[in-house]
Amino acid sequence: KQEVTQIPAALSVPEGENLVLNCSFTDSAIYNLQWFRQDPGKGLTSLLLIQSSQREQTSGRLNASLDKSSGRSTLYIAASQPGDSATYLCAVISTDSWGKLQFGAGTQVVVTP
Amino acid sequence: DADVTQTPRNRITKTGKRIMLECSQTKGHDRMYWYRQDPGLGLRLIYYSFDVKDINKGEISDGYSVSRQAQAKFSLSLESAIPNQTALYFCATSDNTGFGYNEQFFGPGTRLTVL
Repeated sequence: KQEVTQIPAALSVPEGENLVLNCSFTDSAIYNLQWFRQDPGKGLTSLLLIQSSQREQTSGRLNASLDKSSGRSTLYIAASQPGDSATYLCAVISTDSWGKLQFGAGTQVVVTP
Repeated sequence: DADVTQTPRNRITKTGKRIMLECSQTKGHDRMYWYRQDPGLGLRLIYYSFDVKDINKGEISDGYSVSRQAQAKFSLSLESAIPNQTALYFCATSDNTGFGYNEQFFGPGTRLTVL
């Protein structure tokens, strides 16, 4: 059974510092991995989708890497801003899951001015 | 306008009541999903539908039912609500083009409280 873990559960950094968020999964047989952002009490905003054949994806200040063989993905946010404060979730679609996303519990990020 | 909408956004109900949560999308996607989010447990899949005639149970379907009225509409019902169904409920959609499974897009969520 696929398990997705995000460590740490919470992170606080000063403005301007680069953010590094980690996601690990136990079964490397995945179709893709998706990173989301969630603001308190709000919905999920899709940030990046990495297909299993890709090593990384970039969008603006965000860069996500994928090492399928080791079961790891890392989300980098460059030059963090207070507006980056949110909970970041990763989720995978395993090849035996019929398209269902399996989520980690998330990392809560606070960027202090 | 939002691509994936959910109604109501907030609902307080009493134990034993029947309640329906509705989801509509304008993205033209065939696939739709219902998830619930609980503190410390993350998001878990309740039901999913790959097209109008296809409905499947997720990992926590007990106590819930769904209806796919059209490609754009997917409703979740709680036949007899109980307090442990208090949670944040999300609808999501994805298309079915290409190999494998594609990016999922989420609605804003419905906060449900069962007293």
